[in-house]
Amino acid sequence: GAVVSQHPSRVICKSGTSVKIECRSLDFQATTMFWYRQFPKQSLMLMATSNEGSKATYEQGVEKDKFLINHASLTLSTLTVTSAHPEDSSFYICSASRDSGTDGNEQFFGPGTRLTVL
Amino acid sequence: DAKTTQPPSMDCAEGRAANLPCNHSTISGNEYVYWYRQIHSQGPQYIIHGLKNNETNEMASLIITEDRKSSTLILPHATLRDTAVYYCIVRPVNTGKLIFGQGTTLQVKP
Repeated sequence: GAVVSQHPSRVICKSGTSVKIECRSLDFQATTMFWYRQFPKQSLMLMATSNEGSKATYEQGVEKDKFLINHASLTLSTLTVTSAHPEDSSFYICSASRDSGTDGNEQFFGPGTRLTVL
Repeated sequence: DAKTTQPPSMDCAEGRAANLPCNHSTISGNEYVYWYRQIHSQGPQYIIHGLKNNETNEMASLIITEDRKSSTLILPHATLRDTAVYYCIVRPVNTGKLIFGQGTTLQVKP
């Protein structure tokens, strides 16, 4: 149990276009989902926290107008990279938690989406 | 949030126990210790977590010192598939956010 999927697994796009990445919890309801970004040979960086039905909370330095997050249901959150540029090329990873993530409950991570912007 | 310090890399012989240390000297009483690992180009995988007591599951054991300032993740019989980056994370109980450090790259050798 506790499987999280992401789609697509890999995407290549032209500079200036927008890309949408989906994160789904397949066998549980995720009250909270998290989005991370990882550059080569670096650690994961938390971008934002999203709760179903409410606006996402972004970490300091993450542009909310560039990285649009929607958590419309208990099993789906989407990240849209708007007007993507080569510096946005990265590995985007989501995670999901059954609750707000507190009380010791673990987060389950998706397999990641490799974005390459040409 | 409490910071963690881990050695950047470690080697372990296949079949032997891998003991991965983590220092979290500024941890407070309401913060959990979590361990995740990330195999190359995959999402992180949850291993184990604890608050005060030692914990064991089918993957590993977590030993937390009495003063909670450090902990050790033990993989009892390491296999080549355990080669990964291991992250020790301290997480406050009032937030679900996980802040990843640089982790320890564990190389299991035949």
